[in-house]
Amino acid sequence: AQKVTQAQTEISVVEKEDVTLDCVYETRDTTYYLFWYKQPPSGELVFLIRRNSFDEQNEISGRYSWNFQKSTSSFNFTITASQVVDSAVYFCALSEIGETSGSRLTFGEGTQLTVNP
Amino acid sequence: GAVVSQHPSRVICKSGTSVKIECRSLDFQATTMFWYRQFPKQSLMLMATSNEGSKATYEQGVEKDKFLINHASLTLSTLTVTSAHPEDSSFYICSASGTSLYEQYFGPGTRLTVT
Repeated sequence: AQKVTQAQTEISVVEKEDVTLDCVYETRDTTYYLFWYKQPPSGELVFLIRRNSFDEQNEISGRYSWNFQKSTSSFNFTITASQVVDSAVYFCALSEIGETSGSRLTFGEGTQLTVNP
Repeated sequence: GAVVSQHPSRVICKSGTSVKIECRSLDFQATTMFWYRQFPKQSLMLMATSNEGSKATYEQGVEKDKFLINHASLTLSTLTVTSAHPEDSSFYICSASGTSLYEQYFGPGTRLTVT
């Protein structure tokens, strides 16, 4: 069975601070995808990144960076110099790869990030 | 980019009535569509997976007779909540996959309130 754990339920920081959101996953598959999504108060999910299990290179996109450590089954997300607009719920998700199940996603519980001015 | 729409965005209905939510892929053919439910301050829980022209596959614990899913075309899936009750009040989100199984595009969600 697939499982995604986001141990931090809520994080509150002051603007311009760096913040890391943790994600730990469990899967028996050797091939899988990991995702991060942002859900602002409007509710619509915003795709941030997809990483496949064969690619352990870290990725940076502007103020966002991701650290994928297969050895510890973690896929952590760091926001550098946070801004008030970063306030949202962030979800980490795992996709199993099955011929009949398509890209079935298992979501973590989410981390509510609040960035205060 | 791939766009998925949902209609309505918000709906309020009385207990005992049925509500239909539409999910459309606007610029691609969705061979697979997914329906999720999200209660306040909780995560998204997959309810069912539907492939065009086939019966939906429901997750354990989801009543298929209560949550009717129809995926009649490659651009439209509908979720009908039958005999809705206040505990069905939730945020319902659909997503769609095209030829690439690992690309999943989410709709904006439908907030259902049952009074």
